[in-house]
Amino acid sequence: GDSVTQMEGPVTLSEEAFLTINCTYTATGYPSLFWYVQYPGEGLQLLLKATKADDKGSNKGFEATYRKETTSFHLEKGSVQVSDSAVYFCALSGGSSNTGKLIFGQGTTLQVKP
Amino acid sequence: NAGVTQTPKFRILKIGQSMTLQCTQDMNHNYMYWYRQDPGMGLKLIYYSVGAGITDKGEVPNGYNVSRSTTEDFPLRLELAAPSQTSVYFCASSTGNDQPQHFGDGTRLSIL
Repeated sequence: GDSVTQMEGPVTLSEEAFLTINCTYTATGYPSLFWYVQYPGEGLQLLLKATKADDKGSNKGFEATYRKETTSFHLEKGSVQVSDSAVYFCALSGGSSNTGKLIFGQGTTLQVKP
Repeated sequence: NAGVTQTPKFRILKIGQSMTLQCTQDMNHNYMYWYRQDPGMGLKLIYYSVGAGITDKGEVPNGYNVSRSTTEDFPLRLELAAPSQTSVYFCASSTGNDQPQHFGDGTRLSIL
């Protein structure tokens, strides 16, 4: 079945450092890919999305490119801030299903220190 | 707009008790979902619905039931609470397949 694998955390960075969180997926068909962010005590919020190969999703300085050849959707940010500390989830939908179900990775905790 | 609203935010149950987790959305979304999130894990799908009157099982449905009598509401029922159901439960909604989901703030449930 479809699946998503994220790099293990936690990731600890200093403010203004470069961020990469790796995400790879396995899916049949043509899934849409998402990054969600979860701040402490809150629900998940959509950070960005891409719906087809070579699409680049971007929001709040974060970017991810849908790479079909490597089945990857890595999250990047050039300069992180303390306020970016959160748990980040990579997810896919579509693929072998048309019910909109999201398949999540296990999440990566990011801690940014001043 | 309120978006997706979940109640209660916190609850402690004894083993064998039952309860209903409420979820309502005001965005007129047809698709709704229930997930559980265990520590250090991603979210697992419990049940989902693609419209009023239609529900289906997700990845981890055992011990839960749902109903969808209206577009707005999608309650999740635990009939005989077990310690393994201690988790944070999230309800979400979307406009359809491949569309982003909007999440509630979650219900933190402990079964003792």
